[in-house]
Parts: sequence; C-alpha cells; structure tokens
Amino acid sequence: NAGVTQTPKFQVLKTGQSMTLQCAQDMNHNSMYWYRQDPGMGLRLIYYSASEGTTDKGEVPNGYNVSRLNKREFSLRLESAAPSQTSVYFCASRGTADTQYFGPGTRLTVL
Amino acid sequence: RKEVEQDPGPFNVPEGATVAFNCTYSNSASQSFFWYRQDCRKEPKLLMSVYSSGNEDGRFTAQLNRASQYISLLIRDSKLSDSATYLCVVNDDYKLSFGAGTTVTVRA
Repeated sequence: NAGVTQTPKFQVLKTGQSMTLQCAQDMNHNSMYWYRQDPGMGLRLIYYSASEGTTDKGEVPNGYNVSRLNKREFSLRLESAAPSQTSVYFCASRGTADTQYFGPGTRLTVL
Repeated sequence: RKEVEQDPGPFNVPEGATVAFNCTYSNSASQSFFWYRQDCRKEPKLLMSVYSSGNEDGRFTAQLNRASQYISLLIRDSKLSDSATYLCVVNDDYKLSFGAGTTVTVRA
C-alpha cells in the first residue's frame, strides 16, 4: 500500500523556470492538500481540494496553481519560480477522523 | 498571533526520563486536536489524536484544556527513538493548523 506518493523528491530550479509537483494517493480519500514547510515555521497550507473537481486557496497561494486531475491525483504548479519558493513541499490526503496522511515531500531549491 | 504556538525547545533529556510540553491555540471554536511526529527531513506522521477527557497511547499521554486553549503531550520512560520534532495540530473544519514543532532529543 503506497499511501501518498510525490515526485520529484528533489529539484533545483533557476528563477523564472516553471515546474509541476506531482502527488497521488491510493486510499480513495476525497480531500487532498499541498503544504510548504520552512525552517522554524509550521506547515502552511498552499491549496486544498475538498473533492474531485474542486480546489480552494489556503494560507499562502500566491505564485502557485493546482489541478485536481482525478480523485487520486493533485498537482502543484509553479509558473515562474522565485527564490522565496525554496522550501519543502508536502502533499497530504485526509482520511477518517480528520487525520492527514503525508507524502515524503519534495525539496525544492530556487536559485 | 500565530494560530498554534509551541515552545521550540530543544528538550534534551536522558533515556528513561519524562518530558512534557504544551502548545496553545487561538481559535476557541477548533474542533479536533492532534500530535504529529516529524523525524528529520521526513514527512509528519500522526502520533495520536487528543480527546477532551485526555488519552494515553503506551508511554504517551495527551491532554486538552479547552478553557485555557492548550494541549499537552507527556512522554514517559523516554527512548532514544523518541528523538524527533513533535507538531501540535488543530483542526478548524477543513483546515489543519500546525505549530512549528517542539524538538525532543533523548540521549543515552
């Protein structure tokens, strides 16, 4: 049982480049989330999707877009990467009793 | 004011010791509460939910004080494997709010 998977695990971008972070879950969960984690700060919600076909902004959506491709997959896109987007990105899905299951993370550096 | 605040630590304790720490939350309407554990450079994983009456899971005890809006975690008989960052998490409807974490280091 894979749970939540994310690709890539590591990425280095130059300022202005674009990329898409992929996330998939095999637990048949309706809700999925994208967070970023920076040193000394808690995880901050970027976007979430309460169900297939819906997406909503979280706390820090600027500079990002998302797509809920189907029930399994939820991708995060950086259209024009900036050094301030250097972070660790976690995808999560929501199970029963409001618990969330996280993917292994993507470590992104923007030069 | 942050929605969830934690003492960052670090708490440096010997094996076998008891360690306890709190977090406070700002939204009095928060509905559910959790402790997650995060090992260095890994994803957070659910340690335990926190119930109104308090609850235990082996060596771990969680307490909730709604009147004062704080949550606590106590670890008894600490093991080296308990070394991690513990995240206090509060659920407000669809959204989880995370504290920045309390780092615990258990030394031999």
